[in-house]
Amino acid sequence: DAGVTQSPTHLIKTRGQQVTLRCSPISGHKSVSWYQQVLGQGPQFIFQYYEKEERGRGNFPDRFSARQFPNYSSELNVNALLLGDSALYLCASWGGDEKLFFGSGTQLSVL
Amino acid sequence: GNSVTQMEGPVTLSEEAFLTINCTYTATGYPSLFWYVQYPGEGLQLLLKATKADDKGSNKGFEATYRKETTSFHLEKGSVQVSDSAVYFCALSRGGSNYKLTFGKGTLLTVNP
Repeated sequence: DAGVTQSPTHLIKTRGQQVTLRCSPISGHKSVSWYQQVLGQGPQFIFQYYEKEERGRGNFPDRFSARQFPNYSSELNVNALLLGDSALYLCASWGGDEKLFFGSGTQLSVL
Repeated sequence: GNSVTQMEGPVTLSEEAFLTINCTYTATGYPSLFWYVQYPGEGLQLLLKATKADDKGSNKGFEATYRKETTSFHLEKGSVQVSDSAVYFCALSRGGSNYKLTFGKGTLLTVNP
């Protein structure tokens, strides 16, 4: 069975641009969460979706948005990119027990 | 709010040495506690967990005990291997919802042969 898949693996953007990151959860999992991991720091919670509804939101500006599709895959959008948005963006899949499964992440560099 | 504090790294050990990575937390109520590991170029993997006071989580020779009186969840391993080299994250989840984890900053462990 495939694990959590994220695309792309790496991305380079310039300030002011917009970016879309994609995630497919483990088959059968209905919840997807997004985390931002800045170099040298622990992951920070951005969003959580369950059954296509937003269930939680972290302390991030409105430039960050997300959605979940009927097949439970998800997209994270970031508008008006800033240098400080450079980070590893992790997607996590949750199947209902006390365990999150993380993808390998998308490394976003903003120049 | 909830927070997790880990000992700062990096930690460098020789193979077969004893490992301790300290973790303390601040949270209201009774959080669940976790250790995640991140190998180079990979996502985070759950290493072990504990859901209530005095629970001991264990996996792959690693152990951690949920200490409510000291609000701690220190990670230990009796004999580390080169393959244990990774970044270790302590995390908590509050109130039974596992949708959201609060992570510490991580501790880089390097084990030399």
